Amino acid sequence: DAKTTQPPSMDCAEGRAANLPCNHSTISGNEYVYWYRQIHSQGPQYIIHGLKNNETNEMASLIITEDRKSSTLILPHATLRDTAVYYCIVSGFGNEKLTFGTGTRLTIIP
Amino acid sequence: DAGVIQSPRHEVTEMGQEVTLRCKPISGHNSLFWYRQTMMRGLELLIYFNNNVPIDDSGMPEDRFSAKMPNASFSTLKIQPSEPRDSAVYFCASSSGDFGEQYFGPGTRLTVT
Repeated sequence: DAKTTQPPSMDCAEGRAANLPCNHSTISGNEYVYWYRQIHSQGPQYIIHGLKNNETNEMASLIITEDRKSSTLILPHATLRDTAVYYCIVSGFGNEKLTFGTGTRLTIIP
Repeated sequence: DAGVIQSPRHEVTEMGQEVTLRCKPISGHNSLFWYRQTMMRGLELLIYFNNNVPIDDSGMPEDRFSAKMPNASFSTLKIQPSEPRDSAVYFCASSSGDFGEQYFGPGTRLTVT
């Protein structure tokens, strides 16, 4: 599976959009981009995934660049409850193994 | 649905004792995963099952660790004998298909003294 690179930490003001970047320059054609988050002391929570088109659900939007070498997770109106570690993971279709890196620790500032 | 259920939530044991962690996946999910999380190593996949069959156990650290899934609604992770370095939070997760959407349980915090 392709390796991902994320900034170790970010801050965002409450109510603003939080934009979390991820680089995955070695991604291959059949690999998806997944985002999970882990709120302190809880199990990781699935957020969203995509292949090459932008995706949106009730939690977030995922923007994948045309060359698929990077992506951005967008939390449109961040709340204090969005403070968590966010993991960007790349994995192939049909490959159920997810390799969690160190993620980005997002802190929402009141 | 109650989600993935793990028990116990906390376990404190002495070195050398046997520890058994339990997991009930979400009904209808056909894949089950065991992870371990520590500050030093982060979140690591230990083993996963598909349709009750172990598919990949390459993350199991050593022979002291074993996992079983006797049926679609139950799995165990056993450590025998336990050691202080096994202290960690152990998560179980389940999923229903190929798209990597895994649902995690609340975890078992294991402390081995």
